[in-house]
Amino acid sequence: LAKTTQPISMDSYEGQEVNITCSHNNIATNDYITWYQQFPSQGPRFIIQGYKTKVTNEVASLFIPADRKSSTLSLPRVSLSDTAVYYCLVVFASGGSYIPTFGRGTSLIVHP
Amino acid sequence: NAGVMQNPRHLVRRRGQEARLRCSPMKGHSHVYWYRQLPEEGLKFMVYLQKENIIDESGMPKERFSAEFPKEGPSILRIQQVVRGDSAAYFCASSPYSGQGAEAFFGQGTRLTVV
Repeated sequence: LAKTTQPISMDSYEGQEVNITCSHNNIATNDYITWYQQFPSQGPRFIIQGYKTKVTNEVASLFIPADRKSSTLSLPRVSLSDTAVYYCLVVFASGGSYIPTFGRGTSLIVHP
Repeated sequence: NAGVMQNPRHLVRRRGQEARLRCSPMKGHSHVYWYRQLPEEGLKFMVYLQKENIIDESGMPKERFSAEFPKEGPSILRIQQVVRGDSAAYFCASSPYSGQGAEAFFGQGTRLTVV
């Protein structure tokens, strides 16, 4: 089981770049790394997913080193609306089933 | 293409009553996952279903909880004889397939309050 570890909370200011690092020391060869964002009273929303090196989309970048034991979500120029909980997860394979398994997440607060 | 629809959004039940939570997956999605979230905590996996089959229920409490995903209609999470500890937000997610790289789409959740 590839458990994930990430900081409980982070603070930032508008316009800054935010990097949230997640550790997944026991990641398996075939596992992907996925990040979700959750606002209060809403369901999680997919942000980005990757397997190795770097992935970039319109909202974030994901950096994965060669050993894949960690990953870093990078949010460029955050705004107040980026205040949310960010979850790093590795899809857990159980008996052939793939189950997205969430940790505690990182609560990001963006200040004016 | 409508997203994952959950209803009701809010549900209040007295102790001992039954709670039924519904989840309609996105069109074309045949894989459904249910999660429970307590305040200030992450999402805990409960059960994974495909049409007419329970694939993995390792996160489901052994008693009072059941889930189904019939051939027609929404997936149902049923909680019998609710207790105060069942108060939580219950989220449903669907995906088009099961496997590495599959993106799970979440509904807005049902907030169950047991009084």
